[in-house]
Amino acid sequence: DTEVTQTPKHLVMGMTNKKSLKCEQHMGHRAMYWYKQKAKKPPELMFVYSYEKLSINESVPSRFSPECPNSSLLNLHLHALQPEDSALYLCASSSNRGFYEQYFGPGTRLTVT
Amino acid sequence: GENVEQHPSTLSVQEGDSAVIKCTYSDSASNYFPWYKQELGKRPQLIIDIRSNVGEKKDQRIAVTLNKTAKHFSLHITETQPEDSAVYFCAAHPGNAGGTSYGKLTFGQGTILTVHP
Repeated sequence: DTEVTQTPKHLVMGMTNKKSLKCEQHMGHRAMYWYKQKAKKPPELMFVYSYEKLSINESVPSRFSPECPNSSLLNLHLHALQPEDSALYLCASSSNRGFYEQYFGPGTRLTVT
Repeated sequence: GENVEQHPSTLSVQEGDSAVIKCTYSDSASNYFPWYKQELGKRPQLIIDIRSNVGEKKDQRIAVTLNKTAKHFSLHITETQPEDSAVYFCAAHPGNAGGTSYGKLTFGQGTILTVHP
């Protein structure tokens, strides 16, 4: 099963709200990722977790806060976002054993009003 | 850091024709090159990949070639079908994949492929 799931599918939030995006995989992968994708652009890496530890933070603003509670789950906590943060947020996972294939979830379409 | 350039940005072909998308990369240490297909409103889907120790890989109607000397790799789709219409992204993964760079794919800007029936 090469499936990564994400909830919710769509999210509309105001600039003062706090919300969370969730990602789950049951492939036994030990690396998980958050990407941001704007329309007609490639995915843009935000964070990488390897063995539940944050290994890469691509200088993402602190209003985005990642969390990896266990090897199957990845959260992205959102607070005080700006309208320009509206985008598709994609989660991905890979095995982290010398294999680099990343499998993406369906994404959460986020709109900040 | 790595830089990946992808061409063309748009490609229009007739059903049954072949399509070729090319990418160049800057870091000679990069050693893994995936291609993703993203249909409108869908997730990027890994369709084929190649590692730096291989020059060519084929899977049914799609193939990827890699020229390490010239630092470029290409996606070839033969006998195109309307369902091949999508945005295609190439990417490169750093060769020095220690903890600080594992998973750090650099993507090209994408090619919008349209296959006309």
